[in-house]
Amino acid sequence: QAVVTQEPSLTVSPGGTVTLTCGSSTGAVTSGHYPYWFQQKPGQAPRTLIYDTSNKHSWTPARFSGSLLGGKAALTLSGAQPEDEAEYYCLLSYSGAGGVFGGGTKLTVL
Amino acid sequence: QVQLVESGGGVVQPGRSLRLSCAASGFTFSSYGMHWVRQAPGKGLEWVAVIWYDGSNKYYADSVKGRFTISRDNSKNTLYLQMNSLRAEDTAVYYCASFPSSWGQGTLVTVSS
Repeated sequence: QAVVTQEPSLTVSPGGTVTLTCGSSTGAVTSGHYPYWFQQKPGQAPRTLIYDTSNKHSWTPARFSGSLLGGKAALTLSGAQPEDEAEYYCLLSYSGAGGVFGGGTKLTVL
Repeated sequence: QVQLVESGGGVVQPGRSLRLSCAASGFTFSSYGMHWVRQAPGKGLEWVAVIWYDGSNKYYADSVKGRFTISRDNSKNTLYLQMNSLRAEDTAVYYCASFPSSWGQGTLVTVSS
């Protein structure tokens, strides 16, 4: 099964910008992996922020955006807020094999 | 509104079986693929299994293949996960999810003697 990699931890200043990435052991991440991004805060269930690379839900703050960058999926947070401190997970789909989560990125807003 | 409510978790001995259920409401259940995702205590998310909207296709993580079975009853708006030959490493909160949007609150499965 493929391995999906994320930065273990990142720190961003309030109001700053940070990019989280999501890579695949099988090669470049493409739109065909239908990248998802999830946010999870302690003691809570995850919630979906981004699906199919760059699509947002009605509850996704405008400061979050998804893209493909340098062969990886990317989640960019522009104008970080204290409430954005959380664990972020990406999920990639592999045709005929289901999905694989990345190990998660712990984002600190400091 | 969309609701996914898991049930069936609990404490079970290694080698035994357990069946989880996920009751769906607020959306057309029969039109969506459904997933099980788990999270061991203090660990990250692990994708477990997916079933197509009509049950025609199912895929599993290598860690559960041959032991877990995902199924659904569209007449009851319910998703299932039959877990056999349980191991200590299966201890986790199990979530059902309807991507792209909805997650349940999870049910805890503890495998321990």
